[in-house]
Amino acid sequence: AQKVTQAQTEISVVEKEDVTLDCVYETRDTTYYLFWYKQPPSGELVFLIRRNSFDEQNEISGRYSWNFQKSTSSFNFTITASQVVDSAVYFCALTQFMNYGGSQGNLIFGKGTKLSVKP
Amino acid sequence: NAGVTQTPKFRILKIGQSMTLQCTQDMNHNYMYWYRQDPGMGLKLIYYSVGAGITDKGEVPNGYNVSRSTTEDFPLRLELAAPSQTSVYFCASSRGRSSYNSPLHFGNGTRLTVT
Repeated sequence: AQKVTQAQTEISVVEKEDVTLDCVYETRDTTYYLFWYKQPPSGELVFLIRRNSFDEQNEISGRYSWNFQKSTSSFNFTITASQVVDSAVYFCALTQFMNYGGSQGNLIFGKGTKLSVKP
Repeated sequence: NAGVTQTPKFRILKIGQSMTLQCTQDMNHNYMYWYRQDPGMGLKLIYYSVGAGITDKGEVPNGYNVSRSTTEDFPLRLELAAPSQTSVYFCASSRGRSSYNSPLHFGNGTRLTVT
């Protein structure tokens, strides 16, 4: 069965601190995608990144970086020099590379990590 | 450039009432989805559609129905509202199978309370 665990329920940091959000996943599939979504207080879901299981190269986008390690089944997300606008709930999600039959688009979400960045 | 639009934003229903949550997208996406998000939880798939006239159940379909008569619209119907359906509902769309071609584009959500 597929499962995503975000062990950190809430994190509070002061502006300009670096913060890492942990994501551990379980799957029997050899090919799969991992995602991070941001849900700010306004409620919408914003796509941040997608990685496939073939590509373990770390990615950096501005202040955001992602560390994908298949050996530990982890896909951690780091925000460098956090800002108040980063305050949100962050979701990690997993899906099969190709969903033949079954529920396409059936992203398996973690429970989310609420990040509060204080000025 | 509206993307995925959901209406209404908020709704309070009494037990046993019915309602339809509307969802429309202007990106010509074939794939559309309905998710629910319970407090402190991630999203769970209710129903999905791979194109006009085709729908299928997701993880938690009981108590809901959907239809897809056009590419743009994917309404979600609650026939007999129950307190267990109190949740935030998200509609989403994607160009292809979300895990292969493109990420999901989400609407802003509908917050539903059943009392």
